[in-house]
Amino acid sequence: AQSVTQPDIHITVSEGASLELRCNYSYGATPYLFWYVQSPGQGLQLLLKYFSGDTLVQGIKGFEAEFKRSQSSFNLRKPSVHWSDAAEYFCAVGAGILTGGGNKLTFGTGTQLKVEL
Amino acid sequence: DAGITQSPRHKVTETGTPVTLRCHQTENHRYMYWYRQDPGHGLRLIHYSYGVKDTDKGEVSDGYSVSRSKTEDFLLTLESATSSQTSVYFCAISESGDINAKNIQYFGAGTRLSVL
Repeated sequence: AQSVTQPDIHITVSEGASLELRCNYSYGATPYLFWYVQSPGQGLQLLLKYFSGDTLVQGIKGFEAEFKRSQSSFNLRKPSVHWSDAAEYFCAVGAGILTGGGNKLTFGTGTQLKVEL
Repeated sequence: DAGITQSPRHKVTETGTPVTLRCHQTENHRYMYWYRQDPGHGLRLIHYSYGVKDTDKGEVSDGYSVSRSKTEDFLLTLESATSSQTSVYFCAISESGDINAKNIQYFGAGTRLSVL
């Protein structure tokens, strides 16, 4: 069965500093990978996705992520963090099809990002 | 933003009472999902639907039932609420079941449920 690990529960960075959030997955085949962001009291918003092709993917709000098959990782990065980036970030792997179709998503436990001004 | 409305947004109920949460979409997407979010667990799939009257269980379906009588509405029912069902519930939709760009899951704003 697939699994996703986000080893950092909380991360604090200063505004303007660079950011890297870690995500490791376990899946036997090529995974489909996602990063979502959740602001307080809000639903999940898709930041970026990897299906195939270029292993460095660009997303919204200046985020990017790199798929490294050899390390089973899909780390999220941003070169300069803004105070508005404070939120919870979830990595997810789409691995397998549900009965009747539909992509089975397995989520990590999330990383809470705090930005210091 | 995807047109997904969850209602109610907040609910407090007592143990043993039935509760129904509603997810309404305006995107005409075929697939709809219910997740629960708990600290230390991320999001876990409760039930999903792949068409009108077509539903199936997810990984944490015990104590929950669902119904989908119209494309736009997906209802989650807690038959007899328990304190362990205190959680934040999210509805998601996706257009396609294939692994492609149309299979992105879009999420509603969530319903915070407290069972006392």
